[in-house]
Amino acid sequence: EVQLVQSGAEVKKSGESLKISCKGSGYSFTTYWIGWMRQTPGKGLEWMGIIYAGDSDVRYSPSFQGQVTISADKSISTAYLQWSSLTASDTAMYYCARRRGPTREFDYWGQGTLVTVSS
Amino acid sequence: EIVLTQSPGTLSLSPGERATLSCRASQSVSSNYLAWYQQKPGQAPRLLIYGASSRATGIPDRFSGSGSGTDFTLTISRLEPEDIAVYYCQQYGDSHPEYTFGQGTKLEIK
Repeated sequence: EVQLVQSGAEVKKSGESLKISCKGSGYSFTTYWIGWMRQTPGKGLEWMGIIYAGDSDVRYSPSFQGQVTISADKSISTAYLQWSSLTASDTAMYYCARRRGPTREFDYWGQGTLVTVSS
Repeated sequence: EIVLTQSPGTLSLSPGERATLSCRASQSVSSNYLAWYQQKPGQAPRLLIYGASSRATGIPDRFSGSGSGTDFTLTISRLEPEDIAVYYCQQYGDSHPEYTFGQGTKLEIK
């Protein structure tokens, strides 16, 4: 069974760093792309970027380039999303999702990680 | 950036009725790269339709997708109470950002 399991909810202060994770199982982790999405009540679902787990090739949305870092450790089938300095505007639910091949849709999603940043 | 506009914002129907949800793109989208997702309260999105009209694994045949170019439709033929959710369309393209989502249609069951 394909599963993406994300790390738990985080409460942080502005200026702190954070790294959240997404562990894949039940499939060949290195042959799929993993995307990260942000969801807020105001802006809805936004695509942040995507990483190919096999060689860590990363593509970012222009809106998030330079704001976050996406990485992966294929030895433990885990993708990461990290911030070096959080702001209150980073408060959101974050989802990872596996991208399927030819038609590019996201077929399996993690359960989400809620990040709350207080000023 | 390709903007996806979904309508209506909210749809309120009775069980057994037919729901028609619209997704309009600001530029032409390849049909191969148009997907629909269902998000129930407190849950992650779930893939319903990919390639504009193909049902994902385990999705009932009450759900169907159609359309091409800039106009796409998700139809739920016979509503059931469990269909209460927000439905999102999503496209993939060569322009930046590669993926965009519509703002969602909230489906309520009377």
